[in-house]
Amino acid sequence: GQQLNQSPQSMFIQEGEDVSMNCTSSSIFNTWLWYKQDPGEGPVLLIALYKAGELTSNGRLTAQFGITRKDSFLNISASIPSDVGIYFCAGPSGNKLVFGAGTILRVKS
Amino acid sequence: DTEVTQTPKHLVMGMTNKKSLKCEQHMGHRAMYWYKQKAKKPPELMFVYSYEKLSINESVPSRFSPECPNSSLLNLHLHALQPEDSALYLCASSQAINSGGAVGGYNEQFFGPGTRLTVL
Repeated sequence: GQQLNQSPQSMFIQEGEDVSMNCTSSSIFNTWLWYKQDPGEGPVLLIALYKAGELTSNGRLTAQFGITRKDSFLNISASIPSDVGIYFCAGPSGNKLVFGAGTILRVKS
Repeated sequence: DTEVTQTPKHLVMGMTNKKSLKCEQHMGHRAMYWYKQKAKKPPELMFVYSYEKLSINESVPSRFSPECPNSSLLNLHLHALQPEDSALYLCASSQAINSGGAVGGYNEQFFGPGTRLTVL
């Protein structure tokens, strides 16, 4: 089946820094989703992307749907302590969502 | 209302107990999902309901029994669980199941806060 490769696996950054993470696939996706999960909570949908080349922002978050439809990037600007958590990319495969392994973000204040 | 609710938040049960997890959504979504999640791993799909009918069972052991009483509710009945079944159980919903490559919201799944299950 389709797989998503998400990197980096984890990041430890200073408060105020910009963060970038990405997701790649060997197969084409027609939708890319980015979720954030806080400890002990369910994933929260941050951004949904539907068109190749699309660039979408949500506050300090910006995500892009790669032109080849095989990758996506999520950027967080001026990180703050509450950005801590696990970020998952996801894409549809038939009736299911395929998830990346996640990027663990830790912020040093 | 864009919320999926789950009860209980935490559950501790013995291997001989019978318990149920409950999920509710009022977004008019017609697809609902159960996932199992281990620490620092992505969610693993267990079951999918579409229009209150079981659509996908990802070869889940029979000690997990899903039920969809109506379009807003989803239950997961637990019986004779094993310690390795301890995990965060997540419910999710979406407009519908994506069939045929539909875009524009069909794939967006909204998750509940989860039930932290511990099996002793």
